Amino acid sequence: NAGVTQTPKFRVLKTGQSMTLLCAQDMNHEYMYWYRQDPGMGLRLIHYSVGEGTTAKGEVPDGYNVSRLKKQNFLLGLESAAPSQTSVYFCASSSPGLAGGSPYEQYFGPGTRLTVT
Amino acid sequence: LAKTTQPISMDSYEGQEVNITCSHNNIATNDYITWYQQFPSQGPRFIIQGYKTKVTNEVASLFIPADRKSSTLSLPRVSLSDTAVYYCLGLTGANNLFFGTGTRLTVIP
Repeated sequence: NAGVTQTPKFRVLKTGQSMTLLCAQDMNHEYMYWYRQDPGMGLRLIHYSVGEGTTAKGEVPDGYNVSRLKKQNFLLGLESAAPSQTSVYFCASSSPGLAGGSPYEQYFGPGTRLTVT
Repeated sequence: LAKTTQPISMDSYEGQEVNITCSHNNIATNDYITWYQQFPSQGPRFIIQGYKTKVTNEVASLFIPADRKSSTLSLPRVSLSDTAVYYCLGLTGANNLFFGTGTRLTVIP
């Protein structure tokens, strides 16, 4: 299993440009999450999804949109990038509904480092 | 919202046992206490979780007193590869983890 993968690994955007970050998981997990991590800080939840076709806002959702059209994929979109969105973005998944699954045990991808100039 | 408080940083020599304490005064009755580890340039990794008393796995032990207002992560005989940030987490509604700033552990040769 590849686990959780993220595309791209690095990206530089100019202010006002748009982009989509892709997260894919092959563990058949129901729940997926997008976090951002600023230098020296912990992770903050942007959006999450508890199943295909459903999404919800997290702690810092402004400036981002998400879609979960397929169970294995969770997309994060920036419509008009701003320098304040320079950060490392992590995707995660979990399986609280499966036997032995825990909502606390999330599996994280390697991250996408985004710089907005 | 089960917010947590833990030391910003700790140093330890190789081979020593390290104990990182976290306070979570307003933890909810149904909340579990969970710890994650994060190496530089990597995503966090689940280490251990518990509800009360003591939990042990191949990586660490977790001690939780009866009042559950704090917990202690114990790492036995640390090595240089244990240098990382350790997060003590609370769980909010809808399975949302709350990450604080964590404890940066530096293992010294």
